[in-house]
Amino acid sequence: GAVVSQHPSWVICKSGTSVKIECRSLDFQATTMFWYRQFPKQSLMLMATSNEGSKATYEQGVEKDKFLINHASLTLSTLTVTSAHPEDSSFYICSASDPRGTYEQYFGPGTRLTVT
Amino acid sequence: AQSVTQLGSHVSVSEGALVLLRCNYSSSVPPYLFWYVQYPNQGLQLLLKYTSAATLVKGINGFEAEFKKSETSFHLTKPSAHMSDAAEYFCAVSDHSNDYKLSFGAGTTVTVRA
Repeated sequence: GAVVSQHPSWVICKSGTSVKIECRSLDFQATTMFWYRQFPKQSLMLMATSNEGSKATYEQGVEKDKFLINHASLTLSTLTVTSAHPEDSSFYICSASDPRGTYEQYFGPGTRLTVT
Repeated sequence: AQSVTQLGSHVSVSEGALVLLRCNYSSSVPPYLFWYVQYPNQGLQLLLKYTSAATLVKGINGFEAEFKKSETSFHLTKPSAHMSDAAEYFCAVSDHSNDYKLSFGAGTTVTVRA
């Protein structure tokens, strides 16, 4: 199956700093990538849809200026949490849509962000 | 708009017993349906998918699911639970008209008793 990687797998940062998370599709070209946030014991909440070469589409309630998404190539999307605060601490998961079949999404292993 | 409902937030089964996880969907178009499994602090792994072919879908690790249009259901089963099946399970439906976005159910936690 298709493989999606995320880096870093976990990160601790101080309040007020910015953190960048990378999502890569390793063996296919993904025109569309997705970013999710997951709180403990809860389901995944879609934050934004990222299409290569265009601006990301954010879900209602997600702050565009806080969660900057860049999809610079067909294999890489990045999520930057700007001016992070403790309430931004969460598990962030990306996925990439494989256009070769039925556009199913393949998920990265997730990034645990802790803001102190 | 598409949505899924997972009945039962927690299921406990004995090792060797049947696992049954329920999922009902709502969709205005023929749906693509998925079951994913998530282990602690990991991403989601696809168990199986329905994309309008055979209604009985077989997946990995002995899981299977049956698409029933009349019942708008896509329940997941495994005949004999193994300790390694303890995890969180998510049902999802894909929106073909909107970047194939996934709408997830709330999830079902499966525990397996020895």
